Amino acid sequence: AQSVTQLGSHVSVSEGALVLLRCNYSSSVPPYLFWYVQYPNQGLQLLLKYTTGATLVKGINGFEAEFKKSETSFHLTKPSAHMSDAAEYFCAVSDPGNQFYFGTGTSLTVIP
Amino acid sequence: EAGVAQSPRYKIIEKRQSVAFWCNPISGHATLYWYQQILGQGPKLLIQFQNNGVVDDSQLPKDRFSAERLKGVDSTLKIQPAKLEDSAVYLCASSLDMRADEKLFFGSGTQLSVL
Repeated sequence: AQSVTQLGSHVSVSEGALVLLRCNYSSSVPPYLFWYVQYPNQGLQLLLKYTTGATLVKGINGFEAEFKKSETSFHLTKPSAHMSDAAEYFCAVSDPGNQFYFGTGTSLTVIP
Repeated sequence: EAGVAQSPRYKIIEKRQSVAFWCNPISGHATLYWYQQILGQGPKLLIQFQNNGVVDDSQLPKDRFSAERLKGVDSTLKIQPAKLEDSAVYLCASSLDMRADEKLFFGSGTQLSVL
């Protein structure tokens, strides 16, 4: 069975600082991994996904994530935080049956 | 392109009442999902449709929840009778097809408060 663990339900960074949101997964098969972002009063939007190939995946808004099989991790990073990055971030894994398992989310606050 | 549409945006009911939510997926999307998102938790899949057939409803509390997707387009999710623990945001999502690497498109959700 697949599962996702997001370490840290709340993360605060200063504007311009590095953003690091942690995600570890459990999967019995090679995983497909995703990061979704949810802005207030909106639905989830796809930031990026890893399926196969290059382990460093670039997404929208300057975010990227690296798939590390040995660490079963898929951490999300952004070199310089912007005020508009304040949102809820969800890591997700999907199985061959196309069922998605979401983490509990990390709320990102950006301090001016 | 138009996104996933959901209504109503908010709903407040008393326990034991019934409620229905509506979802219109992106045109041409074969797969439709209903998720329940309780405050502080990630979305939990309730039911997944492929066209008008149910693919997975293993986590749907079938004694009180029901869902249908007539004609493989719009979908409704119903709760009858509602319980306090049903207070959550109900998210509808759609995808082009049922592949594990498929991108999900989410609606803005219906926020349900059960008093």
